[in-house]
Amino acid sequence: GENVEQHPSTLSVQEGDSAVIKCTYSDSASNYFPWYKQELGKGPQLIIDIRSNVGEKKDQRIAVTLNKTAKHFSLHITETQPEDSAVYFCAAGRNTGNQFYFGTGTSLTVIP
Amino acid sequence: NAGVTQTPKFQVLKTGQSMTLQCAQDMNHNSMYWYRQDPGMGLRLIYYSASEGTTDKGEVPNGYNVSRLNKREFSLRLESAAPSQTSVYFCASSIKQVNSGNTIYFGEGSWLTVV
Repeated sequence: GENVEQHPSTLSVQEGDSAVIKCTYSDSASNYFPWYKQELGKGPQLIIDIRSNVGEKKDQRIAVTLNKTAKHFSLHITETQPEDSAVYFCAAGRNTGNQFYFGTGTSLTVIP
Repeated sequence: NAGVTQTPKFQVLKTGQSMTLQCAQDMNHNSMYWYRQDPGMGLRLIYYSASEGTTDKGEVPNGYNVSRLNKREFSLRLESAAPSQTSVYFCASSIKQVNSGNTIYFGEGSWLTVV
């Protein structure tokens, strides 16, 4: 099956700085890469996703990049705010399938 | 619009006891899932149901059973709870959309402790 690795496990940044979280995957057939944000005591919420036919996608302060050749994808958050503090998960799978494999999570703390 | 609703939110079980986690979604989604979340392990798929009437094993199905009662409801049963099943359980649902594939929506989680 797929194996997704995520780094770093913890990340602290000053408010206003950028944060980058990186993931690698092993299955070259994976073509859908969502990112989830999980706040304390809540379920994960989808914040952005990318499909393998594009290399980059942006949504306001959040962007995701994908390098299919190297099998890695990254989440970029610019101008971080305290409310960005949460655990972020990457995932990989096939967008026509039902099994998605998650990374182990990154705990992001934005220091005011 | 409640989305994905799961009950109970918290439960403490003794080893060997049984229990059922209930899940319902009101988004008319075809597929439903049960994940468990453990520290340092991310989210791991236990079972999923691609459509009403079907269920399939995920990464970690041992010790669990599921029932897709109808399109809205998908329950997870622990027949004989073990301490290794102490975890946070998430139900989720998704619908395949034309040109965009599956997008998964999660419930709020159920915290289960087996002593």
